Amino acid sequence: SQQGEEDPQALSIQEGENATMNCSYKTSINNLQWYRQNSGRGLVHLILIRSNEREKHSGRLRVTLDTSKKSSSLLITASRAADTASYFCATDVSQAGTALIFGKGTTLSVSS
Amino acid sequence: GAVVSQHPSRVICKSGTSVKIECRSLDFQATTMFWYRQFPKQSLMLMATSNEGSKATYEQGVEKDKFLINHASLTLSTLTVTSAHPEDSSFYICSAREWGYSYEQYFGPGTRLTVT
Repeated sequence: SQQGEEDPQALSIQEGENATMNCSYKTSINNLQWYRQNSGRGLVHLILIRSNEREKHSGRLRVTLDTSKKSSSLLITASRAADTASYFCATDVSQAGTALIFGKGTTLSVSS
Repeated sequence: GAVVSQHPSRVICKSGTSVKIECRSLDFQATTMFWYRQFPKQSLMLMATSNEGSKATYEQGVEKDKFLINHASLTLSTLTVTSAHPEDSSFYICSAREWGYSYEQYFGPGTRLTVT
């Protein structure tokens, strides 16, 4: 099962531009996480934001969480060609025996 | 940080054969491991939840007789794809929850299965 949706499904930008991806989910959560996946490779954990947090930064990444709207956004500033990848949000209820549930993902293409 | 390994990273098998994929937590104990499947250009779909010492719980639409899961110890879960068919070709990713500590989930690097 999938918890939510990401939009856009695909995003193409130039190096140096900012990229914003959105994620919506359906149920109450303990935290929301963002992952990156390069083509054919494994997942890379980017950032975790807890349900009592509204915004979090990590380097060029900025994540927001609006639990009232059940939505989150990931902003990548000053994008680079190396940021080209698929980005997924995943929701976590943080109970023993429960899994992260992934959204459909956004494919980001950054051209130089 | 916690590390989860998978073996093999890639496997090619003939239609009708069975393939076993191992998932190990290398430096922590995992009471629960999860198996996901990812088709090309799609997201990760949870297949099953594997609990140490008990039967796995499968998501709706996942055939338990086809995807056999064994979680024999706190550090090892295996997924066996039985009588594989080309439509089983996919990227299989396992993850593990660290027992008794934050329930953070760690992911393995994935196994690319190609059935010819």
